[in-house]
Amino acid sequence: DQQVKQNSPSLSVQEGRISILNCDYTNSMFDYFLWYKKYPAEGPTFLISISSIKDKNEDGRFTVFLNKSAKHLSLHIVPSQPGDSAVYFCAAGLSGSNYKLTFGKGTLLTVNP
Amino acid sequence: NAGVTQTPKFQVLKTGQSMTLQCAQDMNHNSMYWYRQDPGMGLRLIYYSASEGTTDKGEVPNGYNVSRLNKREFSLRLESAAPSQTSVYFCASSAQTGYGYTFGSGTRLTVV
Repeated sequence: DQQVKQNSPSLSVQEGRISILNCDYTNSMFDYFLWYKKYPAEGPTFLISISSIKDKNEDGRFTVFLNKSAKHLSLHIVPSQPGDSAVYFCAAGLSGSNYKLTFGKGTLLTVNP
Repeated sequence: NAGVTQTPKFQVLKTGQSMTLQCAQDMNHNSMYWYRQDPGMGLRLIYYSASEGTTDKGEVPNGYNVSRLNKREFSLRLESAAPSQTSVYFCASSAQTGYGYTFGSGTRLTVV
């Protein structure tokens, strides 16, 4: 039973445009969510997070939106740059569960010059 | 400022061989984790250690054992490697703040 789902294995956008990566979750108890970015042959690196008490968090070009009623979050990258090309993982956690994270399968973003 | 260090980076094993993947962190984090990444499967939790002296199973623990040697080090052992354990293994640590993990750069393991 996949608790965190990223239904788009890949996404291709033009440089300068907006990239929107989506993530759905099934466990309503999750209370914080994160996005990680992964380049080939490297470990995932933390990008941005959001607590369930918020519906938006912004950090430079990256914004994460959370819709708790729909159990859906999205990552917006504006403007997209070629260096943003990577695999993006959505993750969800439950406070009090030893901070274990449940990850989605990832979405490969390609930003074309 | 090393963060999380994993060794080795690459390894090829024959079916039935054993090996230990090493992980060390220098951030004084309490919690440490082992994940595996397989194509189309994302990151799946193998074992974790919430604090020094404790370990617990994750989603896919079969065929693995772990040791939390001290606060810095968390090792993953394959007692009898199988081709199904061919994967990229990532170690991570967390300060238990709810703000996520710091990952190592991974160990690419091939079992033939």
